[in-house]
Amino acid sequence: EDKVVQSPLSLVVHEGDTVTLNCSYEVTNFRSLLWYKQEKKAPTFLFMLTSSGIEKKSGRLSSILDKKELFSILNITATQTGDSAIYLCAVRSSGNTPLVFGKGTRLSVIA
Amino acid sequence: DVKVTQSSRYLVKRTGEKVFLECVQDMDHENMFWYRQDPGLGLRLIYFSYDVKMKEKGDIPEGYSVSREKKERFSLILESASTNQTSMYLCASRPGAAGTYEQYFGPGTRLTVT
Repeated sequence: EDKVVQSPLSLVVHEGDTVTLNCSYEVTNFRSLLWYKQEKKAPTFLFMLTSSGIEKKSGRLSSILDKKELFSILNITATQTGDSAIYLCAVRSSGNTPLVFGKGTRLSVIA
Repeated sequence: DVKVTQSSRYLVKRTGEKVFLECVQDMDHENMFWYRQDPGLGLRLIYFSYDVKMKEKGDIPEGYSVSREKKERFSLILESASTNQTSMYLCASRPGAAGTYEQYFGPGTRLTVT
């Protein structure tokens, strides 16, 4: 059975800290890994990773995939209170199959 | 801009009522999905659909049914609502297998069953 595990489940940091969120997976016929940010409503897309070792970056957020060790990390540098959210990791296998989601990491950034 | 809309943001229903949650997407996506999201359990897939009139069970289909009569609309039906169906319901859509796999979510419907 396909599985995605995120850690930690929750995290509290101070503004300005750097955080690393983890996502490990076991999926048959891996195709891609996606990160989403969910504030009060719908999850919004952050990154999609398909190749090992290639960092995707958007402002203070970056992510990288390791297909050998079957994990991805999402880094947020110089955190701000607006980064407080649930961060979801999802994996897609081949074919037109649904995404498999992890349970999410709830990040709280305090001033 | 892709838009996925859901008929209600908040809904309160009584036990035993029949409940309809509607989802509409405007980007001609083939695939549509219904999830529920509960604290500590994450997103769980209820049903999904690859095309009009097609439906597949997800991980937790019990107590739910779906309808997809038109490509843009995917409805989730609770035949007889129960208190354990109190949850946040999220609809999502994405293009078919040949396209990009970014999945777009609606704003969610917070359903309370009393």
